[in-house]
Amino acid sequence: GEDVEQSLFLSVREGDSSVINCTYTDSSSTYLYWYKQEPGAGLQLLTYIFSNMDMKQDQRLTVLLNKKDKHLSLRIADTQTGDSAIYFCAEMPDSWGKLQFGAGTQVVVTP
Amino acid sequence: NAGVTQTPKFQVLKTGQSMTLQCAQDMNHNSMYWYRQDPGMGLRLIYYSASEGTTDKGEVPNGYNVSRLNKREFSLRLESAAPSQTSVYFCASSAGNNQPQHFGDGTRLSIL
Repeated sequence: GEDVEQSLFLSVREGDSSVINCTYTDSSSTYLYWYKQEPGAGLQLLTYIFSNMDMKQDQRLTVLLNKKDKHLSLRIADTQTGDSAIYFCAEMPDSWGKLQFGAGTQVVVTP
Repeated sequence: NAGVTQTPKFQVLKTGQSMTLQCAQDMNHNSMYWYRQDPGMGLRLIYYSASEGTTDKGEVPNGYNVSRLNKREFSLRLESAAPSQTSVYFCASSAGNNQPQHFGDGTRLSIL
């Protein structure tokens, strides 16, 4: 089973903010990642955060990291219909570059 | 600016047939990876190659073999396909350890 846990589904109205949550297990993870997957497509790297940071902002995306609770979140401001996709949280628990993925959160944006 | 290219995009096999999935990257990355994606399970690592000339098993290597043909190419082979290997297969590459991985568009493989 996954060591990275995410809720499976999120419904949000267009224009609202979305918050996708993730918990991970390995406190030694150096980087934590968010990927986006649209239907029939591969995974697109959205953003990532280094473990010594608490927050990273990139345009409409804000990543918050709580190392004490091993909790990662992705906030999407002003959610648009094009944001409808599956979002994967991933940690890199060792130095070999192997990613451990969560099962993904399906985000559905309604008008 | 192709990034990571996977071929074929779709394939249907019969049980027992063999198949090689191809992956090439044009970003001069050192590390390459093969994952499989199954519903509700995220992505699981099959094999990886930290650098040219090396390959290592990931989480679910059974039934698969890989070849790092050169720095650009990393292939995944199913010697005797089984229905449990029906999945979407993704190849990824990265500049090295702790660097972000970039994914191809996937190969959708069905085994009957």
